[in-house]
Amino acid sequence: DTEVTQTPKHLVMGMTNKKSLKCEQHMGHRAMYWYKQKAKKPPELMFVYSYEKLSINESVPSRFSPECPNSSLLNLHLHALQPEDSALYLCASSQYGLAETYEQYFGPGTRLTVT
Amino acid sequence: GQQVMQIPQYQHVQEGEDFTTYCNSSTTLSNIQWYKQRPGGHPVFLIQLVKSGEVKKQKRLTFQFGEAKKNSSLHITATQTTDVGTYFCAGPLSSSARQLTFGSGTQLTVLP
Repeated sequence: DTEVTQTPKHLVMGMTNKKSLKCEQHMGHRAMYWYKQKAKKPPELMFVYSYEKLSINESVPSRFSPECPNSSLLNLHLHALQPEDSALYLCASSQYGLAETYEQYFGPGTRLTVT
Repeated sequence: GQQVMQIPQYQHVQEGEDFTTYCNSSTTLSNIQWYKQRPGGHPVFLIQLVKSGEVKKQKRLTFQFGEAKKNSSLHITATQTTDVGTYFCAGPLSSSARQLTFGSGTQLTVLP
């Protein structure tokens, strides 16, 4: 199984709402990622989890709060977002290597609209 | 800041024509990866290059890594409509192997 699943596929939320994005993989990967992608732009790295611990935070605003409950699950909690946060949020996973870069498997993404 | 640029940004070709996208990094890379994203889809890994001057082929796709490990190219021979999408290169610009920076992408349109 080389699939990364994400729910929901689409999400519309107001600026005062709290919502969560979910990501799951069963490939035994110990590195998991959140990316943000605006239209016609490349994916931008937000967070990296290595062995369920947050290892990279790319100076993301605190209104985005990641969580890794176990080795298969990754959540992104959203609170008090701004309209400019509307984007496609992609989850990815890969093998973990201290100095090696491995291919990343991406989920289909959650298309988020903040109104 | 450190970045990865790709040219061209857009490319329209007639089916059967060749296509090339170029990727340039502001810093030497330990490796470079290529991804393809179909319209409405998500990035899908194509290949990884590690060695200086490395050339790899996948059917009609040829990937090259420059001698200085700061640039790379993807060449598609005899494009087909299934090649439509945006092609991204990506590499670890920082000291972390997992911190990939994606290039700006080349959007390929293939006209039948």
